[in-house]
Amino acid sequence: KQEVTQIPAALSVPEGENLVLNCSFTDSAIYNLQWFRQDPGKGLTSLLLIQSSQREQTSGRLNASLDKSSGRSTLYIAASQPGDSATYLCAVPSTNDYKLSFGAGTTVTVRA
Amino acid sequence: DTGVSQNPRHKITKRGQNVTFRCDPISEHNRLYWYRQTLGQGPEFLTYFQNEAQLEKSRLLSDRFSAERPKGSFSTLEIQRTEQGDSAMYLCASSSLRRGEKLFFGSGTQLSVL
Repeated sequence: KQEVTQIPAALSVPEGENLVLNCSFTDSAIYNLQWFRQDPGKGLTSLLLIQSSQREQTSGRLNASLDKSSGRSTLYIAASQPGDSATYLCAVPSTNDYKLSFGAGTTVTVRA
Repeated sequence: DTGVSQNPRHKITKRGQNVTFRCDPISEHNRLYWYRQTLGQGPEFLTYFQNEAQLEKSRLLSDRFSAERPKGSFSTLEIQRTEQGDSAMYLCASSSLRRGEKLFFGSGTQLSVL
């Protein structure tokens, strides 16, 4: 059974600092990995999807890396802004089906 | 493309009552998923449909839970004889048939069982 862990559980930084969010998974035979953002009381918004053949994916100030062999992914957010305050979740599917296993998330607070 | 729509956004009910939630996926998406999320945790998979066929159900989905997707369009999730432990956010997501595609989530239905 795939287990996904996210460290740290919470993070508070001043505006302008770079953010580093970590995700680890136990079964490295994944097809891809997704990072999501969730605002309080809301649904999930997909940020980045990295295919297993890729090492990283970038979108604006966001960059996600993937190391399948070590079972790790890192989400970098450059020059953080108060609007980046949210919970960030990573998720991986099993190779034989499409249901996602999620981590518990990292809750980020960016202080103005 | 109006995104995944879920109704209602909030539902408060008394223990023992039945509740039904609705999900309208992105129109061209064949796959539809239901997840449940409790405070401080990531979403947990409940069930998924490919068109109108329910292809997988989690052990989390007890006999009190039933999901349907008639004609492969919208889906409903019904909980009978609700219990306080059913209180959670119920999330619906959809995706295309192509493997490895992104999941698009709705805003969820927050259920509170008193």
